[in-house]
Amino acid sequence: QSALTQPASVSGSPGQSITVSCTGTISDVGGYNGVSWYQQHPGKAPKLMLYDVTKRASGVSDRFSGSKSGNTASLTISGLQAEDEAEYYCMSYTSAVTFVFGTGTNVIV
Amino acid sequence: QLQESGPGLVKPSETLSLTCTVSGDSISSGSFWGWIRQTPGEGLEWIGAFSFSYNRVTHYNPSLKSRITISVDTSKNQFSLNVNSVTAADTAVYYCARDPGFRYDEWGQGTLVIVSP
Repeated sequence: QSALTQPASVSGSPGQSITVSCTGTISDVGGYNGVSWYQQHPGKAPKLMLYDVTKRASGVSDRFSGSKSGNTASLTISGLQAEDEAEYYCMSYTSAVTFVFGTGTNVIV
Repeated sequence: QLQESGPGLVKPSETLSLTCTVSGDSISSGSFWGWIRQTPGEGLEWIGAFSFSYNRVTHYNPSLKSRITISVDTSKNQFSLNVNSVTAADTAVYYCARDPGFRYDEWGQGTLVIVSP
């Protein structure tokens, strides 16, 4: 199974909004709503941010939102803050009854 | 909470064995329990997962399936990962995590395993 495609990096200024894309195929992102997003700071374990495309995990700021169109899912961070600087990964359920992660995106504030 | 344990150094061609101890939840619950790894400076790779409640079903990453086994010890509330015939490419931080439904909401802190003579 091939990793989902994410941009290597996305940058924005404090207060701005940014969007991170996650592109797969009909066998994963396009075929299921089991898409989730994770935030990872250096040396730390990933943290669940969004699941089922649009649902926020417990305690996650409403500045984080998700969407999906066709084979591409997106994570939007509004009101960008310095603490949002991290690596972000998408993950999707697949038709093979497995999961596949995205390539990761370095969000720079 | 989840906590990984196991040797930090494994020799090439040998078997990598890790255990995940779960507290605050039962591995016999309705969740899936999985393993994910991250090679140094690289992204995340899903290894596999199992569910005790769903007929003890186990799913593996097809690219690793021939070399990996996930097992469970309900008496200790633990699950384990074995990776056979390891090479340097298996050097990674290994995480165990809980999947309550198509996402991993609780992760262990991760354990670094280096494959080297």
